[in-house]
Amino acid sequence: GQNIDQPTEMTATEGAIVQINCTYQTSGFNGLFWYQQHAGEAPTFLSYNVLDGLEEKGRFSSFLSRSKGYSYLLLKELQMKDSASYLCAVRVLSSGGYQKVTFGIGTKLQVIP
Amino acid sequence: DVKVTQSSRYLVKRTGEKVFLECVQDMDHENMFWYRQDPGLGLRLIYFSYDVKMKEKGDIPEGYSVSREKKERFSLILESASTNQTSMYLCASSALRGQIAYEQYFGPGTRLTVT
Repeated sequence: GQNIDQPTEMTATEGAIVQINCTYQTSGFNGLFWYQQHAGEAPTFLSYNVLDGLEEKGRFSSFLSRSKGYSYLLLKELQMKDSASYLCAVRVLSSGGYQKVTFGIGTKLQVIP
Repeated sequence: DVKVTQSSRYLVKRTGEKVFLECVQDMDHENMFWYRQDPGLGLRLIYFSYDVKMKEKGDIPEGYSVSREKKERFSLILESASTNQTSMYLCASSALRGQIAYEQYFGPGTRLTVT
C-alpha cells in the first residue's frame, strides 16, 4: 500500500514564503504531483517531479528526493488567492501493471494579511 | 483546454436506490478515474480505467461498479446506495503515453447525499 503524509493545516502571511512538506512510503514509486484545490472547486495541477531536484514554475517550486521519500512545495510572494488546499499525489505501479495515482489528505493553507 | 464534465453538481438519493454518476472528457484521454473526497480522508480512488471496457479497482471499490463503453465516458454506479456513500465524487482523466499516466484533469464534482 501507500502512505502519504502532509500537514493538515498551515498559516502564512501575505508576501512571505511557505514550504509544504510531503513524505511518502510506497512500492513502485514513479512520480509525484502537487495539486491546488480551492474550497468547493476541483483540484488543478501545479507541478510534477519524477527525478530528484527542484522544478520551478513562477512563484511555485517543487522538490523531490526519492531516496528520502520526501517532497516539498514552495510558494513564494504569497497572495491571498493562494489560500487553498495543496494535495500531494504519488504515482505508483498498480497490481495490474498500470500506473495509478494516490493522494495525500491535503494541506489547507491560510494566507493572512 | 481539457474539459471534464460530470452529469450533476448535486444529487440526493434514497437508501437502496441505484445511482449513476456520469463523466465525459473531450481530450481523447486514455485514463479515467473516479474518486470520492471526504473531510479528513482526502481523495480516495474508487476505480480507474485505462482503455474502453477495461477497469481496475482502486483503494475503496466496495459498493461501487463502473462502466466504460466509450473512450470519452466513464460511469460510476452505486448498485444500492447507502448513507455512508454520501460524499463528493470527482472524476478525472489523463493522457497515457506508453504506460506512464500524466497529470489529471478533474471535473467539477458531484455532491451526493444519500438519505
